[in-house]
Amino acid sequence: EAEVAQSPRYKITEKSQAVAFWCDPISGHATLYWYRQILGQGPELLVQFQDESVVDDSQLPKDRFSAERLKGVDSTLKIQPAELGDSAMYLCASSSTRGGRADTQYFGPGTRLTVL
Amino acid sequence: AQRVTQPEKLLSVFKGAPVELKCNYSYSGSPELFWYVQYSRQRLQLLLRHISRESIKGFTADLNKGETSFHLKKPFAQEEDSAMYYCALLSGSEKLVFGKGTKLTVNP
Repeated sequence: EAEVAQSPRYKITEKSQAVAFWCDPISGHATLYWYRQILGQGPELLVQFQDESVVDDSQLPKDRFSAERLKGVDSTLKIQPAELGDSAMYLCASSSTRGGRADTQYFGPGTRLTVL
Repeated sequence: AQRVTQPEKLLSVFKGAPVELKCNYSYSGSPELFWYVQYSRQRLQLLLRHISRESIKGFTADLNKGETSFHLKKPFAQEEDSAMYYCALLSGSEKLVFGKGTKLTVNP
């Protein structure tokens, strides 16, 4: 069964360093999402792509976060510089389209970021 | 604004007892609601969605628009149901808004 892949699974970095996370969605899924999940909270959407285009990045802290999906397949989320408050689980999800709307979202295993 | 509230952070029941995980939402449009589950050391996965009206692993959830609720229920809890449960709402922009989650523990 196809799954969303993410790497690395764990990342420890010092504040002010740059970090990058990678996501490979399920093949054929046009919509890709990046979520941040702080301990004790539910996931919160950071950015949503439809193919290679950003659909929603209203919650992405654009002064330090960037995301791209250049060929409309895999995606990279970058933080530069990392801050202590960025410590969280970063989840990637993907979905196909049904009836013109995004279908069920399938989640990857996440990347747990710790900023020291 | 869209908001999902799960009032119970923790819920503990005994095996065989009924379980109800509460979810209330705030949304001005016609909501599409989901329950996601995360078992220990596994990824977040869809449990059920209200539009399919199906029962998964014995769980059901009914959308009550009058009370703006989408509570998850199971008549007889099993130990393997122990997990984190998240209620989520799909907005018009196809954005999932999650609640903070309820950790369910089913004791033997």
